[in-house]
Amino acid sequence: QVTLRESGPALVKPTQTLTLTCTFSGFSLSSSGMCVTWIRQPPGKALEWLALIDWDDDKYYSSSLRTRLTVSKDSSKNQVVLTMTDMDPVDTATYFCARTPKYTSSWSGIDYWGQGTLVTVSS
Amino acid sequence: DFQMTQSPSSLSASVGDRVTMTCRASQNIAHLLSWYQKKPGRAPELLIYDASKLQSGVPSRFSGSGSGTDFTLTIISLQPEDFATYYCQQTYSTPLTFGPGTKVQIK
Repeated sequence: QVTLRESGPALVKPTQTLTLTCTFSGFSLSSSGMCVTWIRQPPGKALEWLALIDWDDDKYYSSSLRTRLTVSKDSSKNQVVLTMTDMDPVDTATYFCARTPKYTSSWSGIDYWGQGTLVTVSS
Repeated sequence: DFQMTQSPSSLSASVGDRVTMTCRASQNIAHLLSWYQKKPGRAPELLIYDASKLQSGVPSRFSGSGSGTDFTLTIISLQPEDFATYYCQQTYSTPLTFGPGTKVQIK
């Protein structure tokens, strides 16, 4: 059974750095084709893709947020960490981690999601 | 980046209706498109991947079609649990962008 769970602070202050951890089970991020993705959804707005890390430690980022995002993995702990610097109130959102397989030369759909964690940016 | 658009942004329908919504990519993404259902307070659920492949466990009243730049999600015989927002996502190239969503509301 594949599960993912996000953890991190519910409240951060403007300019601070957000660190979120995704702890997963039921698959290995060391296995070829496995990837973990971060997505967010501000209240009342659309889903926004943030970052992806794959089994080979390749990392991909949103073009608009690239300079603020860092994704890393600890395969032995089954964890992926997302950091976002210089937080602003517009970054208030529910943040999801999810599994995205890459079976051939392209990614498949995001098949398993965490429940999401609401992060509020406010002083 | 590949830009995704969806239409309509919202629609009203009744239980039992056939519902169709579209997703358009700014460039050719072949068949590499997924559809998700999102309900408030819940994680998105994958419905369709590779444009037309039904994810395991998803009811067969959902179907997807299209290739290149134009894609369609169809729900035949809308059920009460189908009132939600639907998002498309291109999986052709990173960043794996989402569309803005189509909200399906009760008429």
